[in-house]
Amino acid sequence: KQEVTQIPAALSVPEGENLVLNCSFTDSAIYNLQWFRQDPGKGLTSLLLIQSSQREQTSGRLNASLDKSSGRSTLYIAASQPGDSATYLCAVRDQGAQKLVFGQGTRLTINP
Amino acid sequence: EAGVAQSPRYKIIEKRQSVAFWCNPISGHATLYWYQQILGQGPKLLIQFQNNGVVDDSQLPKDRFSAERLKGVDSTLKIQPAKLEDSAVYLCASSLRASGGGYTQYFGPGTRLTVL
Repeated sequence: KQEVTQIPAALSVPEGENLVLNCSFTDSAIYNLQWFRQDPGKGLTSLLLIQSSQREQTSGRLNASLDKSSGRSTLYIAASQPGDSATYLCAVRDQGAQKLVFGQGTRLTINP
Repeated sequence: EAGVAQSPRYKIIEKRQSVAFWCNPISGHATLYWYQQILGQGPKLLIQFQNNGVVDDSQLPKDRFSAERLKGVDSTLKIQPAKLEDSAVYLCASSLRASGGGYTQYFGPGTRLTVL
């Protein structure tokens, strides 16, 4: 059974810093991995999707990497801004499956 | 393009009462998902529909939860009777299809349920 873990559960950093959020998964036979952002009282917004054959994906100040063999993914946020404050969730889709298995999320606070 | 709509946004009920949530997916999306997100946890899939058929309901507590998508468009999720541990945000998502291109899931704002 796939399990997804995100560390740390919460992170607070000053504005302008670069930061890394971590995600690990127990079964490396994944189809893809996705990073989402969740703002309070709102649904999830997809940030980046990495196929199992890819090593990384970039969108603006965000870069997500995938090391399938070690069961790890990182989300790198460059030059953080207060508007980046949210909960970040990673989710994996196993090969042959359709559902997403989510981690518990990292609550990120960027202090002005 | 309109997003995924959910109602109500908030609901407070007493335990043992019943409650229903409604979801209208993005137009043309064949696949619809209901997730339960307990505070401090990631979303957990309850049920997945492909058009009006159930693809996966392995994590749906069928003794108290039910869901339907009769015409392959909007969907309702019902809890009867509710328990304290059902307090959570219920998220609905839709995707154009279940796999391959067009698989990206788009989420609604969720319904926050509090069971007292």
